[in-house]
Amino acid sequence: ILNVEQSPQSLHVQEGDSTNFTCSFPSSNFYALHWYRWETAKSPEALFVMTLNGDEKKKGRISATLNTKEGYSYLYIKGSQPEDSATYLCAFIGVVGTGRRALTFGSGTRLQVQP
Amino acid sequence: GAVVSQHPSRVICKSGTSVKIECRSLDFQATTMFWYRQFPKQSLMLMATSNEGSKATYEQGVEKDKFLINHASLTLSTLTVTSAHPEDSSFYICSARDREAELAKNIQYFGAGTRLSVL
Repeated sequence: ILNVEQSPQSLHVQEGDSTNFTCSFPSSNFYALHWYRWETAKSPEALFVMTLNGDEKKKGRISATLNTKEGYSYLYIKGSQPEDSATYLCAFIGVVGTGRRALTFGSGTRLQVQP
Repeated sequence: GAVVSQHPSRVICKSGTSVKIECRSLDFQATTMFWYRQFPKQSLMLMATSNEGSKATYEQGVEKDKFLINHASLTLSTLTVTSAHPEDSSFYICSARDREAELAKNIQYFGAGTRLSVL
């Protein structure tokens, strides 16, 4: 079982605040890292697919960075809005055994943005 | 975008009954589908991987005879929880990967999940 940890577990911020959270993963056998956004009663939706050390991806007010050598990724939200309220999941894809790729999820960061 | 439909969204059943959950890819062909289980405040835990037309690959500790998976077509996979007991109560969610997965680095499209409560 691969250890993928997300912190903090939950976060309450005011509308307009910027925030960030962390995903830590094994620094060996890296293949890719995914970020998903999961709103209550909906399907998790892919935000970013990150594959290269130093990758920075951006979608509107949300951006992510990747450091595969030290095993972490940050997700940033600039100027949080109530509609950003969701659980943000990271998923580490590593190469195990004879080339098989295994996907391991973190337990998520639950973000609540107060109007 | 790719849509995955999962039904039912919630099921309550008596102990000893079997429950079938369906996962359909609506606008793409899913060569591979995944089934996850999530207990409260925990991560999504992969239960099994199913490839169309072949037997599912189960993760360690998941009982094959308890959780039957069928992936008979490129758009449908089913998970049957056989003789369900209260300890099987959980949130089950499926995801699907399409033929272009390698290019998209294994991105997965999720259903909305099924909350199973066994009385």
